[in-house]
Amino acid sequence: AQSVTQLGSHVSVSEGALVLLRCNYSSSVPPYLFWYVQYPNQGLQLLLKYTSAATLVKGINGFEAEFKKSETSFHLTKPSAHMSDAAEYFCAVSNSGGSNYKLTFGKGTLLTVNP
Amino acid sequence: GAGVSQSPSNKVTEKGKDVELRCDPISGHTALYWYRQSLGQGLEFLIYFQGNSAPDKSGLPSDRFSAERTGGSVSTLTIQRTQQEDSAVYLCASSPGGSWGTDTQYFGPGTRLTVL
Repeated sequence: AQSVTQLGSHVSVSEGALVLLRCNYSSSVPPYLFWYVQYPNQGLQLLLKYTSAATLVKGINGFEAEFKKSETSFHLTKPSAHMSDAAEYFCAVSNSGGSNYKLTFGKGTLLTVNP
Repeated sequence: GAGVSQSPSNKVTEKGKDVELRCDPISGHTALYWYRQSLGQGLEFLIYFQGNSAPDKSGLPSDRFSAERTGGSVSTLTIQRTQQEDSAVYLCASSPGGSWGTDTQYFGPGTRLTVL
């Protein structure tokens, strides 16, 4: 079984400040990890994914995430927040084992960016 | 290119009625997925298609829910005798298929279902 925990259902930052969204996973086999972003009334868009190559993954819009096996974490960061980053962010896990097509999502973190 | 499209974008129905939700995946994608997004439960996997077959229906919440895919393309999710707890956003996704676990799933905008 696999699961994802996103710490903080709501994160608020000032424009230009560091963005840090936390994600911890549980998986009985090596995981694959994803971050998706959802803007209001839209579907989910992939920001980045970890598929067992480099542990530091760079994605779109200046976001990056680091896979830390020892901490079972895959936190999402961006050095400087823009107003356009305001959205809901979802961490998800799949794996190399059975049912590996199935994404298991965290509950999501709503990011607010203040001017 | 065209992304995943879903119709209708919004559906309001009365309790007990049947509804059909449609998904048009990205052309050439062999894998198709349905998820449900609700306030209480977050994003839940419902069903997975590879081509026209559905090897995993484990996420369907009850036998009132069914889905089919024809021609390896369009999929329809049907909910019979809708209940208020079925109110949610139903998201469809597709992926190229074959890259087990690492495929990027591309999501449509969703259908917001409201059961009165």
